[in-house]
Amino acid sequence: QSALTQPASVSGSPGQSITISCTGTSSDVGGFNYVSWYQQLPGKAPELMIYDVIYRPSGVSYRFSGSKFGNTASLTISGLQAKDEADYFCSSYTTSSTWVFGGGTKLTVL
Amino acid sequence: QVQLVESGGGVVQPGRSLRLSCATSGFTFSSYAMHWVRQAPGKGLEWVAVISYDATNEYYADSVKGRFTISRDNSKNTLYLQMNSLRAEDTAVYSCARPPDRYSYGYYFEHWGQGTLVTVSS
Repeated sequence: QSALTQPASVSGSPGQSITISCTGTSSDVGGFNYVSWYQQLPGKAPELMIYDVIYRPSGVSYRFSGSKFGNTASLTISGLQAKDEADYFCSSYTTSSTWVFGGGTKLTVL
Repeated sequence: QVQLVESGGGVVQPGRSLRLSCATSGFTFSSYAMHWVRQAPGKGLEWVAVISYDATNEYYADSVKGRFTISRDNSKNTLYLQMNSLRAEDTAVYSCARPPDRYSYGYYFEHWGQGTLVTVSS
């Protein structure tokens, strides 16, 4: 049950697009279309941003999108805004009937 | 609306036990599987355990298997996590989380509590 691999940090200027990667194995990310992404603001509970790789929950901005190729999933945020500055975590269901998270990525809006 | 409120955290010595609770409201608790997820200070999220809606099945992360037990009381709309043989590395904020669909473990976490802090230290 090794954690999924995410970059520790990414940054971008307002209006730009950024992409956060999430790399696993064929036993998790690559084996299912069950990758989800969460935004966590300081001191707050995580908030679901993307589920089942590509779907946005109601109320989440269209600026957030997800994708997957092989064992790597990605979260793209377009039209970056200051309020997007947060920690982002990916998660996947696994072949062991467990769930695994990534180590988290700190997004800084310059 | 869905509310999940954890309690029971605190400071505990290594080797001791602690029981966490997650009081729920705003949905039919007995129809949903429930998860525990933890986050060590300054670290990432770690899935801990899940229990089926009817308490007939449970799954655990390897890091807590044999030491932690997840349970529920559907008459009280409450989820529990019994933590035994606690270690320093169990120090974390523990949150309960609910999947989106009834009767399924779910593949993602739609609702989260704010969490309760457990500190394992002598």
